[in-house]
Amino acid sequence: EAGVTQFPSHSVIEKGQTVTLRCDPISGHDNLYWYRRVMGKEIKFLLHFVKESKQDESGMPNNRFLAERTGGTYSTLKVQPAELEDSGVYFCASSLDTSYEQYFGPGTRLTVT
Amino acid sequence: GQNIDQPTEMTATEGAIVQINCTYQTSGFNGLFWYQQHAGEAPTFLSYNVLDGLEEKGRFSSFLSRSKGYSYLLLKELQMKDSASYLCAVGFAGNNRKLIWGLGTSLAVNP
Repeated sequence: EAGVTQFPSHSVIEKGQTVTLRCDPISGHDNLYWYRRVMGKEIKFLLHFVKESKQDESGMPNNRFLAERTGGTYSTLKVQPAELEDSGVYFCASSLDTSYEQYFGPGTRLTVT
Repeated sequence: GQNIDQPTEMTATEGAIVQINCTYQTSGFNGLFWYQQHAGEAPTFLSYNVLDGLEEKGRFSSFLSRSKGYSYLLLKELQMKDSASYLCAVGFAGNNRKLIWGLGTSLAVNP
């Protein structure tokens, strides 16, 4: 069974540019989560999808971040325009409805210069 | 507010036992997770405690005291491959599935 995959693994962009991160959850997992870890700080929750619906987006930093999950399969997280403080590792995770265990992807390391 | 504390770094010797503590103060609580993360890799699930007590799973055990807001992860018969970051996280009930994380404990296992 394939795990959670994320693309790209690394992205380096300039301030003001746009970046789109992609997450493919484990097949059959209705729950999909985005988290972010800024260097030196703890992993922080961004948002939670149940199928294509946003269950909780309380962790989204501001309106420069847009997450979508059309069709309830893969998800994208767009940052537009990117700022220096957006640098960090963005993790995606997924879980079954019947389990609290979240399976994580390897993350996308975003560097904004 | 939400506060989860764990030691920043620990060192131990191969074959020994190490205990990594985690204390938490959160608004709401449904369970305590432990994840392992090797450098540059995805966090991987180790354990989930909902009720007070000790849960054993092979070389790893996890303990929870809800009244004290305290958990620990116990690693026995340490191996070099156990060198990693160990992350404590609090989960919430019902449809609120987000995890609130500690900073992680970096464990170095020496020969």
